[in-house]
Amino acid sequence: DAGITQSPRHKVTETGTPVTLRCHQTENHRYMYWYRQDPGHGLRLIHYSYGVKDTDKGEVSDGYSVSRSKTEDFLLTLESATSSQTSVYFCAIREPTGNYGYTFGSGTRLTVV
Amino acid sequence: KQEVTQIPAALSVPEGENLVLNCSFTDSAIYNLQWFRQDPGKGLTSLLLIQSSQREQTSGRLNASLDKSSGRSTLYIAASQPGDSATYLCAVRLSQAGTALIFGKGTTLSVSS
Repeated sequence: DAGITQSPRHKVTETGTPVTLRCHQTENHRYMYWYRQDPGHGLRLIHYSYGVKDTDKGEVSDGYSVSRSKTEDFLLTLESATSSQTSVYFCAIREPTGNYGYTFGSGTRLTVV
Repeated sequence: KQEVTQIPAALSVPEGENLVLNCSFTDSAIYNLQWFRQDPGKGLTSLLLIQSSQREQTSGRLNASLDKSSGRSTLYIAASQPGDSATYLCAVRLSQAGTALIFGKGTTLSVSS
């Protein structure tokens, strides 16, 4: 199975503070994604990356920024956290060959108080 | 805009029953469709992936079918067990290069012993 880890697993932060979530892969895959999962909404795409320094917005990108300076790391930053960003955040990678399936990390549960 | 719908939202069955979970999508121009399982508080585990040119995929007691022209997929679970209790998510990838998965909201399955 693809190696993908997210950190931290849990975080509580105060409104207005910056927060960075990290996604690390050991597979050297080109495509990486950030999703958020909320009750009643399912999983929604925030941002994705198709290579080092190459990123694009998803459906719910407002209030978020991303960076990818190395193939293995994809960072998600909440510049000024709000309560509406309380959610579970998942990172995913896409297989570059074969069936081109997606593998997800274990998630980061973020609470903004 | 592609929309993915899963019906029913929740399902309760006694152990041993065969069951079908439904997924429909509005845009038939998909590259592939992937079924995931999610246990409470956990990440997503890939179950089956069907390419747009395929009609079905099987893994153990699971069988997923795809009818791209009608925008439907089904996940068949044979001889259900309490350990099958989880939320099942359907996701499609559009044909355009680099696109991410678009998810349904899931079906929460409860299998009683």
